[in-house]
Amino acid sequence: DAGVTQSPTHLIKTRGQHVTLRCSPISGHKSVSWYQQVLGQGPQFIFQYYEKEERGRGNFPDRFSARQFPNYSSELNVNALLLGDSALYLCASSLGGTGSEKLFFGSGTQLSVL
Amino acid sequence: QQPVQSPQAVILREGEDAVINCSSSKALYSVHWYRQKHGEAPVFLMILLKGGEQKGHDKISASFNEKKQQSSLYLTASQLSYSGTYFCGTEGVGNTPLVFGKGTRLSVIA
Repeated sequence: DAGVTQSPTHLIKTRGQHVTLRCSPISGHKSVSWYQQVLGQGPQFIFQYYEKEERGRGNFPDRFSARQFPNYSSELNVNALLLGDSALYLCASSLGGTGSEKLFFGSGTQLSVL
Repeated sequence: QQPVQSPQAVILREGEDAVINCSSSKALYSVHWYRQKHGEAPVFLMILLKGGEQKGHDKISASFNEKKQQSSLYLTASQLSYSGTYFCGTEGVGNTPLVFGKGTRLSVIA
């Protein structure tokens, strides 16, 4: 069975641009969460979606948005990129979206903003 | 609120034991432990639910004291493969999203 897949794996953008990151959860998983991980730090929660509804939002500016599609895949969008947005963006899927479930992480998208 | 992990880093020789601690200032419903190797995604180790349980996973086990809002991860007879950064993730009461600590970097040397 395929794990969580993310695309692209690497991305280079310049300040002010827009970026879209994509995630496909494990088959049967209905919840997707997005995390930002800066080098040397733990993953920081950005969004969680379950059954296409936003279930949680972390402390990130409105430049960050996300959505979940009927097939449970998800997109994370970041507008007006800043240098500080450079990070590894991780997507994690779980079955039902409760906090007590095991998260399965994808390998991430490494975003570099120049 | 982000849980606090200690120590930040630890170096062990093969066969030695280590304890990694995780504490929160908020009431917790569950604690997760993940390990991340360099350049890879975090991998699930175990979940502990409130109730003060202790779990084991080969030579890696953990405890959760909900009254103190603390969890500890125990690694015994460490192996080279245990090297990596260990993160605790905490879930507050009320089905809140998982919040991760800053991690503990564990290096096991021969």
